[in-house]
Amino acid sequence: DIVLTQSPDSLAVSLGERATINCKSSQSVLHSSNSQNYLAWYQQKAGQPPKLLISWASIQESGVPDRFSGSGSGTDFTLTISSLQAEDVAVYYCQQYYSSPYTFGQGTKLEIK
Amino acid sequence: EVQLVESGGGLVQPGGSLRLSCVVSGFTFTTYWMHWVRQGPGKRLVWLSRISSDGRSTTYAASVEGRFTISRDNAENTLYLQLSSLRVEDTAVYYCARGGISPADTFFVWGQGTLVTVSS
Repeated sequence: DIVLTQSPDSLAVSLGERATINCKSSQSVLHSSNSQNYLAWYQQKAGQPPKLLISWASIQESGVPDRFSGSGSGTDFTLTISSLQAEDVAVYYCQQYYSSPYTFGQGTKLEIK
Repeated sequence: EVQLVESGGGLVQPGGSLRLSCVVSGFTFTTYWMHWVRQGPGKRLVWLSRISSDGRSTTYAASVEGRFTISRDNAENTLYLQLSSLRVEDTAVYYCARGGISPADTFFVWGQGTLVTVSS
C-alpha cells in the first residue's frame, strides 16, 4: 500500500498569512502513461464530510477560492493557502488514487494563530 | 444539486451485521464509479471499497474483504454496503462518495455520513 505522510500534524497561522502543508508519498503517484499525478487534497471542517479542493495535484476544483493551490510531482506535494481566512480552519488531507487501496494522509489540523 | 444521503447506521453488537444505503440525486448515477470511505473517531479517512458504474467490478481494502460487500441498484440510484462480522474497530462514520468515470479518479462529492457503533 502507498503510505502518505503529511507534515506538520498541526499548524497555526495568522489571518492573512500563508499556510503550507506537505504530503510525502512512499512511492511515486506520477503515472508515466499520461504524466499525471494521482494526488488530491481535501478540506474537512468539524462535523462535515471532506470537500475536494485539488485534484491531479494542482487542478483546483470549481468554486474553490483562488487562495488554495497545489503543487508537486512524484512523491512530494504541497497544499498552499496564500492568505489564510477564518473559514479555512479545518483538517486537510492528501489522498492518492494511483493505486488501490486508495490511501489518505493522517491529516493536518489548521488553526488561526 | 448533487446529493448523496447515507442511512442505515446504528448500534450493533460485535459479530453483528448492518446494511448501509446511499441514495444519490442530481447526477447520472449509472455513469460513475462509487466508493465507501470511513473515519473512526479522531482518525484519518480510510477507503473501504469501490464499485464500477455497471456494478460488475468491485474492489475492497484488505481490512474489510470477506466481511463487507458493496453493491448498487442503478434503477433506484442507490449504493449499498453490507457490513458483516462487525468488530469494535469498525466503529466509524461511513461515507459514500462519487468517483469518476474511470476507477482511478478522485472523490468528487461526499455524503454527510452515517455513524456505525459496534459495542456490546
